[in-house]
Amino acid sequence: NAGVMQNPRHLVRRRGQEARLRCSPMKGHSHVYWYRQLPEEGLKFMVYLQKENIIDESGMPKERFSAEFPKEGPSILRIQQVVRGDSAAYFCASSPFRGDQPQHFGDGTRLSIL
Amino acid sequence: KQEVTQIPAALSVPEGENLVLNCSFTDSAIYNLQWFRQDPGKGLTSLLLIQSSQREQTSGRLNASLDKSSGRSTLYIAASQPGDSATYLCAVRPGQAGTALIFGKGTALSVSS
Repeated sequence: NAGVMQNPRHLVRRRGQEARLRCSPMKGHSHVYWYRQLPEEGLKFMVYLQKENIIDESGMPKERFSAEFPKEGPSILRIQQVVRGDSAAYFCASSPFRGDQPQHFGDGTRLSIL
Repeated sequence: KQEVTQIPAALSVPEGENLVLNCSFTDSAIYNLQWFRQDPGKGLTSLLLIQSSQREQTSGRLNASLDKSSGRSTLYIAASQPGDSATYLCAVRPGQAGTALIFGKGTALSVSS
């Protein structure tokens, strides 16, 4: 029973390039959450998605960041025109229901901007 | 605005000690609280989930308690082992928002043999 799968594990981009982070939830989970962990900071919520719907994007920066969770395939977090401040660990979590079930996390994608 | 604080930020103990990690939150209107373990370079492993109506949860050597009215949770680790060395994170799910977890910055635990 595979857990939450994220890839790539490490991603290096130059300033101005695009970064695409992928997340496949646990089998049977239809709710996906993205969090960001900046150096010396705690994890911060970014966006919550269900299949084909963005439910809550209150933690997402207004520009350059977007997320999707298509009917088929993994959830994608896309960062356009990356800047040094985007360097962080990006974690994906999934759960079967909204409230009373634990969220299960992937191993994260470490994004480094040169 | 909900804020989660974990004390201490770091803790070093010899193997075999019982220890307590503390988590406090500013708004008592939470849906549930979850304790995680994070190993270096790894993701988060869920340890215990306490619903707002519960007072405690136990799993093996771990026991987590919740006092909503005072905005506190504690994670008790019995007979600590070097393999327990990791960062322990506390996260609350707010009652209103219902979905996003709000995390503390964690307690970095080191257990020496």
